[in-house]
Amino acid sequence: ILNVEQSPQSLHVQEGDSTNFTCSFPSSNFYALHWYRWETAKSPEALFVMTLNGDEKKKGRISATLNTKEGYSYLYIKGSQPEDSATYLCASGNAGNNRKLIWGLGTSLAVNP
Amino acid sequence: GAVVSQHPSRVICKSGTSVKIECRSLDFQATTMFWYRQFPKQSLMLMATSNEGSKATYEQGVEKDKFLINHASLTLSTLTVTSAHPEDSSFYICSASQGISNQPQHFGDGTRLSIL
Repeated sequence: ILNVEQSPQSLHVQEGDSTNFTCSFPSSNFYALHWYRWETAKSPEALFVMTLNGDEKKKGRISATLNTKEGYSYLYIKGSQPEDSATYLCASGNAGNNRKLIWGLGTSLAVNP
Repeated sequence: GAVVSQHPSRVICKSGTSVKIECRSLDFQATTMFWYRQFPKQSLMLMATSNEGSKATYEQGVEKDKFLINHASLTLSTLTVTSAHPEDSSFYICSASQGISNQPQHFGDGTRLSIL
């Protein structure tokens, strides 16, 4: 069974705080790791797709790292803003599963002004 | 760019009704479209993967005669829930991509289906 675990389940921070979440995934036969932001009443928005061990990607104040050998990815948000409030989902594609994405439950972030 | 339109956004209907949900990629050609179902407090569960012009690949446990998927063009896929029953009530969401898992998926807004 291939599981993708995300932690924490939810997080409340103050505006201006920096924060990070974790996504754990099966490291064997790894193919790709995705991060998405899902705001309430909107559709999930792709943030990053990473495939190589050691990958680091950045989009504005959001960045992500990837460790395929130990099976984890971190998502960082620098200087959180209220508009960052959303659920952040990660999904892992595994070559042993026809590369289909397996999704985590997400981390729900609330940024208080 | 990469906009996906899904409709209807909400359906409430009687048991036994068939419901069709459309998923369109508006500004790109999607070689692959995905249909997901999400139960409360659970992760997105892949139901099927469809490629334009070929039969959809259903996940284990998903009845293909119950959930009919048609991917007639590079911009349109439809999911029909046939003879829907209350247990089919759920949130259904589609996505479109230009790859299986090395390309980002672009999602529709989802459809909340309620069967009375």
